[in-house]
Amino acid sequence: KQEVTQIPAALSVPEGENLVLNCSFTDSAIYNLQWFRQDPGKGLTSLLLIQSSQREQTSGRLNASLDKSSGRSTLYIAASQPGDSATYLCAVFGYSTLTFGKGTMLLVSP
Amino acid sequence: DTGVSQDPRHKITKRGQNVTFRCDPISEHNRLYWYRQTLGQGPEFLTYFQNEAQLEKSRLLSDRFSAERPKGSFSTLEIQRTEQGDSAMYLCASSLPGQGAREQYFGPGTRLTVT
Repeated sequence: KQEVTQIPAALSVPEGENLVLNCSFTDSAIYNLQWFRQDPGKGLTSLLLIQSSQREQTSGRLNASLDKSSGRSTLYIAASQPGDSATYLCAVFGYSTLTFGKGTMLLVSP
Repeated sequence: DTGVSQDPRHKITKRGQNVTFRCDPISEHNRLYWYRQTLGQGPEFLTYFQNEAQLEKSRLLSDRFSAERPKGSFSTLEIQRTEQGDSAMYLCASSLPGQGAREQYFGPGTRLTVT
């Protein structure tokens, strides 16, 4: 059974810092990995999708990497802003569905 | 807005009542997924449709839960005889057709509170 772990569970940083969120998964037989953002009480917004054959994806200040063989992914956020405050979820797509981690709650203070 | 929509956004019901939620996927997406998310947890897979066919159901989907997608477009999730443990956010997602896994787009969710 696939298990996804995200570290840290919570993170508080001052505005402007660069930061890294970590995601690990136990079964490397995945099709892709998605990073999502979730604001309190809201649905999920897809940030980045990395196919299993890819090593990284970039969108604006976000960069996600994937090392399938070691079962790890990182989400790098450059020059953090208060508007980045949210929960970030990592999910891997295996046979037919996404398996999610519990998320990292990020707070960026002005 | 051509994203995934869900209705209602919030539902408060008394224990033992039946509830039904609706999901409208992005129009050209033939895959539709239901997930459940409780406080402090990531979403957990419930069930998955490709067109009108329900292809997989999680063990979380007890006999009190039923999902349909009769015409391969919108889907409904019904919970019968609700229990307090059913209180959660119910999320719907859709994705494009094709081989392999595609990016999933999520709706805003339906928050269920069972009193």
